[in-house]
Amino acid sequence: GAVVSQHPSWVICKSGTSVKIECRSLDFQATTMFWYRQFPKQSLMLMATSNEGSKATYEQGVEKDKFLINHASLTLSTLTVTSAHPEDSSFYICSARGDREVEQYFGPGTRLTVT
Amino acid sequence: GQNIDQPTEMTATEGAIVQINCTYQTSGFNGLFWYQQHAGEAPTFLSYNVLDGLEEKGRFSSFLSRSKGYSYLLLKELQMKDSASYLCAVRDENYQLIWGAGTKLIIKP
Repeated sequence: GAVVSQHPSWVICKSGTSVKIECRSLDFQATTMFWYRQFPKQSLMLMATSNEGSKATYEQGVEKDKFLINHASLTLSTLTVTSAHPEDSSFYICSARGDREVEQYFGPGTRLTVT
Repeated sequence: GQNIDQPTEMTATEGAIVQINCTYQTSGFNGLFWYQQHAGEAPTFLSYNVLDGLEEKGRFSSFLSRSKGYSYLLLKELQMKDSASYLCAVRDENYQLIWGAGTKLIIKP
């Protein structure tokens, strides 16, 4: 099956700093990428959907100036958490879908801890 | 509003069979997915149903009834490694995935 990677797999940062998470589709072209956040013992929460070359569509309640998403190529999307705070500590997961594909392929996730 | 309901937690015995139900109310329907998620890991795809009926894939089967807004995931010959959360997700008229909260399945020896 298709492979999606995420980097880093975990990161600890200080409050007020910014963190960038990369999501790559390794063996297919991802026309659409999704960013999710998952708090402990809760379900996935979609943050935003991005299509290659265009601006991301953010879900209600997600601050687009705080969570910057760039989908500059068909194999790479980045999520930057700006001025991170402890409440941003969570498991961030990306998924990718190719053109005309049914399935979304998930990356392994990035665990962010803000101290 | 859009809603996906599935039980919060279920317990079953190793070697047995368990059925995890999912009911949904969404604006439009373009398929239903089941994912498995182990603690601390990302979800992995299990099944996809878009037409009514049963889809079988090894020990796992998934059933869909669109008229009832209902699906179930059937796991046979349970193994300890099947202990995980099982997520039901429906793709709506805008091709957005609407996620259920997940069912935590605990397998006991």
